[in-house]
Amino acid sequence: ELKVEQNPLFLSMQEGKNYTIYCNYSTTSDRLYWYRQDPGKSLESLFVLLSNGAVKQEGRLMASLDTKARLSTLHITAAVHDLSATYFCAVDTSGSRLTFGEGTQLTVNP
Amino acid sequence: NAGVTQTPKFQVLKTGQSMTLQCAQDMNHNSMYWYRQDPGMGLRLIYYSASEGTTDKGEVPNGYNVSRLNKREFSLRLESAAPSQTSVYFCASSVFGSFGVSGSSYNEQFFGPGTRLTVL
Repeated sequence: ELKVEQNPLFLSMQEGKNYTIYCNYSTTSDRLYWYRQDPGKSLESLFVLLSNGAVKQEGRLMASLDTKARLSTLHITAAVHDLSATYFCAVDTSGSRLTFGEGTQLTVNP
Repeated sequence: NAGVTQTPKFQVLKTGQSMTLQCAQDMNHNSMYWYRQDPGMGLRLIYYSASEGTTDKGEVPNGYNVSRLNKREFSLRLESAAPSQTSVYFCASSVFGSFGVSGSSYNEQFFGPGTRLTVL
């Protein structure tokens, strides 16, 4: 059974600081997705990572994938309040189903 | 382009009542999914439909049924609601893309706004 673990689950950080969210998974996959969810809202696709070593960046967020370590990271640079949300990683092993991590709830304080 | 739409947005049921959650997408996607989201548990797949005419069980199918009415619509039915089914339900659809020399597939999913269901 595929397990997807994110850490930390809760993250409170100050504006202007950097931090990394980790997503570990238990079986072979070279396809991983990151989503953002604002409170009471739906999930929004952030990044699609499709190969070992893939790196994608959008604004203050950068995601990477290491398929050998079964690890993806979401790095936050110089955090701002607008980044406060819950971030999910999801792993695709079958081409039709995703398995989601528990989510990391990020709060950026002024 | 409305994307993925869901109705209703909110619903309160009594134990034993039945209801159907509706989902539609206008992106011409082949695959559609139903998830439930509970605090601290991420999203769990209930059922999915890889293409029109097919449905498959996900991780937590017990107590639910689905119908893929046509390419656009995928409904989720609770025949006899239980308090354990109190949750937020999300519908999603996906486009399959291919990449690389080998043409490997990927599956980016797009989500609807959700239905908040409470079963008393």
